[in-house]
Amino acid sequence: DAKTTQPTSMDCAEGRAANLPCNHSTISGNEYVYWYRQIHSQGPQYIIHGLKNNETNEMASLIITEDRKSSTLILPHATLRDTAVYYCIVRVANSGYSTLTFGKGTMLLVSP
Amino acid sequence: ETGVTQSPTHLIKTRGQQVTLRCSSQSGHNTVSWYQQALGQGPQFIFQYYREEENGRGNFPPRFSGLQFPNYSSELNVNALELDDSALYLCASSGGQGISYEQYFGPGTRLTVT
Repeated sequence: DAKTTQPTSMDCAEGRAANLPCNHSTISGNEYVYWYRQIHSQGPQYIIHGLKNNETNEMASLIITEDRKSSTLILPHATLRDTAVYYCIVRVANSGYSTLTFGKGTMLLVSP
Repeated sequence: ETGVTQSPTHLIKTRGQQVTLRCSSQSGHNTVSWYQQALGQGPQFIFQYYREEENGRGNFPPRFSGLQFPNYSSELNVNALELDDSALYLCASSGGQGISYEQYFGPGTRLTVT
């Protein structure tokens, strides 16, 4: 699976948009971009994933650049409950199974 | 729809002992993956079970073993515990094999080895 690079930490004011970048310059054509987050002392929570088109769901939007070498997760109106570690993962099915390779992620702190 | 559950929540063991952790997958999911998360690190893949068979393994020694049952619940067994095995153990379930599917995680079991 391709390696990803994320900032160690970011700050965001409550109610503002949080834009979390991820670099995956070595991504392959059949690898998807996944985002998970982990609130303190809980299991990771799936947020969104995409291949090459931008995606949106009730939690967030995912913007993938045309060359697919980077992406941005957007939380449109961050709340205090969005404070968490956010993981960007690229993944492809491999030998009939597929797993998630987590890095250290970005610690997002949302402040009042 | 019932989510992924794990038991116990916390566990304290002594070095050299053996431990069994349990996971019930989300309703309808037939694949279970186990991860180890050391303090301050991202989760690390241990292994995955699909239809009661090990379907892939990360870089963990054989003393880490598992089982999946016909109802798709799963166990993680660790023998000869070492201090470095202290971690949060996470179970994730998913719907099946394929290129794109989401894994849903349980709350984890916090294991402390003294």
